[in-house]
Amino acid sequence: KAGVTQTPRYLIKTRGQQVTLSCSPISGHRSVSWYQQTPGQGLQFLFEYFSETQRNKGNFPGRFSGRQFSNSRSEMNVSTLELGDSALYLCASSFFWTEGSTDTQYFGPGTRLTVL
Amino acid sequence: GNSVTQMEGPVTLSEEAFLTINCTYTATGYPSLFWYVQYPGEGLQLLLKATKADDKGSNKGFEATYRKETTSFHLEKGSVQVSDSAVYFCALRGVTGRRALTFGSGTRLQVQP
Repeated sequence: KAGVTQTPRYLIKTRGQQVTLSCSPISGHRSVSWYQQTPGQGLQFLFEYFSETQRNKGNFPGRFSGRQFSNSRSEMNVSTLELGDSALYLCASSFFWTEGSTDTQYFGPGTRLTVL
Repeated sequence: GNSVTQMEGPVTLSEEAFLTINCTYTATGYPSLFWYVQYPGEGLQLLLKATKADDKGSNKGFEATYRKETTSFHLEKGSVQVSDSAVYFCALRGVTGRRALTFGSGTRLQVQP
């Protein structure tokens, strides 16, 4: 069974540009979450999608947005890039989304974004 | 809110030494607890998990027991190998409200031959 895939693996952008990252979950998984990893802030939750609807959102500015498609693939977009957006962006998938569930999130390899 | 505290690293051990990485948490109710491992240049891999008090998660020689009374989930391995060198993250997932994973700051393990 293929794992979570993320494309591209590496990106270099300049300040002010926008970027779109893609995530394909494990087959059969319908929930996708995004996390940002930086040396200073560690791992921080961005948002979670299930059935094409955003279910939860972390404390990030509106420049960070996402969406999920009917095949459960997800994209996240960052507009007006800032130097501080340089990070490893990790996508995680899980089977479903319900209150009280204990299902596990499985992570992809991440997209390394560098903003110059 | 939820929080996870891990011991500071790096932890440097010789091959075949005993490993303990401490993890304590703050959360409402009975969260699920996880250990993830990150090798250089890679994403996070699930190492083990426990979903209720006194559960023991285990995988690849690593173990951790969910201790509700001490709100801890310490990671242990009896004999580490050079290949275990990585960053280890303790995490929790609440059962109410937001289900996002809350991570500790990570502990870097270096195993020397």
